[in-house]
Amino acid sequence: DAGVIQSPRHEVTEMGQEVTLRCKPISGHNSLFWYRQTMMRGLELLIYFNNNVPIDDSGMPEDRFSAKMPNASFSTLKIQPSEPRDSAVYFCASRSLASTDTQYFGPGTRLTVL
Amino acid sequence: GENVEQHPSTLSVQEGDSAVIKCTYSDSASNYFPWYKQELGKGPQLIIDIRSNVGEKKDQRIAVTLNKTAKHFSLHITETQPEDSAVYFCATQSINDMRFGAGTRLTVKP
Repeated sequence: DAGVIQSPRHEVTEMGQEVTLRCKPISGHNSLFWYRQTMMRGLELLIYFNNNVPIDDSGMPEDRFSAKMPNASFSTLKIQPSEPRDSAVYFCASRSLASTDTQYFGPGTRLTVL
Repeated sequence: GENVEQHPSTLSVQEGDSAVIKCTYSDSASNYFPWYKQELGKGPQLIIDIRSNVGEKKDQRIAVTLNKTAKHFSLHITETQPEDSAVYFCATQSINDMRFGAGTRLTVKP
């Protein structure tokens, strides 16, 4: 089992640029979560999908953030335009809907916006 | 929203000693309580979990206790080793909602 796969692992960009983070959940999992982790705010849930459908996006900071899940094996989190305060580690996690099973986290993408 | 309070924020112990981390929560609908360990540069990894119909669970040197009436649960690590050094997060889960504590940075000194 390859686990949750995220790319890129590190991203450095300039303010105003578009950033796209990618996630491949564990095969067979039908819930997918995007988190942001910072020293100040800890782990924050941004959005999650069940069966490719966004269920709760109340954690998305503002309209500059958007997430899609076009199929069961791929999701993107896009920031456009990016700002320095978006600098953080972004995690993707997946879970099986079959039971209240735990979420399995990917290795994260460290984003730095200059 | 519902909060998960985690204490202490930092904990330093001598190798071989025990470490205890405590969390309190407010959402009475929470029914699943995982603990995650996060090492530097990695994502959180599940180390132990407990469901609301169980009061205690043990896995080798790690144990978790749950008091649903008081809405608190604790992680216990015995015979700590330097490789236990990491940030530990508690979490609570109800239907479609998972919340994390702020984390505890555990340092085990050799």
